[in-house]
Amino acid sequence: GDSVTQMEGPVTLSEEAFLTINCTYTATGYPSLFWYVQYPGEGLQLLLKATKADDKGSNKGFEATYRKETTSFHLEKGSVQVSDSAVYFCALSPIQGAQKLVFGQGTRLTINP
Amino acid sequence: DAMVIQNPRYQVTQFGKPVTLSCSQTLNHNVMYWYQQKSSQAPKLLFHYYDKDFNNEADTPDNFQSRRPNTSFCFLDIRSPGLGDAAMYLCATSRAGTANEKLFFGSGTQLSVL
Repeated sequence: GDSVTQMEGPVTLSEEAFLTINCTYTATGYPSLFWYVQYPGEGLQLLLKATKADDKGSNKGFEATYRKETTSFHLEKGSVQVSDSAVYFCALSPIQGAQKLVFGQGTRLTINP
Repeated sequence: DAMVIQNPRYQVTQFGKPVTLSCSQTLNHNVMYWYQQKSSQAPKLLFHYYDKDFNNEADTPDNFQSRRPNTSFCFLDIRSPGLGDAAMYLCATSRAGTANEKLFFGSGTQLSVL
């Protein structure tokens, strides 16, 4: 079945460091790919998405590119801030049928000042 | 302003004692979902409603039921909670349920089973 594998956390970085959180997926066909973020005490929020190969999703300085050849959707940010501390979830949705997200296990990110 | 509201934030129940978790939405979305997230694991879809049409995931235990009396509200009923049902339960909505659509999540209800 469909699955998502994320880089294990927790990840701790200093402010202004470069961030990469790896995500790879297994799916039939060409799913839509997402990154969701969960700030402390809040629900998951969509951070960015890409719906076809080579698409780049971006938001709040974060970027991820849909790579079909490597079945990957790595999250990157050039300079992280303390306010980026959160849990990040990579997810896919099969292209057919209803929106049924399959999540990775989440990566906890802590940014130190 | 919260658009998907889950109550309560923390719920404690006893082993075998039925419990109901609630979710409401102000978005007028057609689709409502319930996810289960155990500690350090990925959220897992239990079921979803498309309007009044209930869609159960194949591996969702019979112990879990859901009701959607109207567009705004959806309930998760656990008939006989076991220790393994302790988890965060997440409610989400989407407008039409198509594959590339954004989901809106509530803050979750953390269920403890004693």
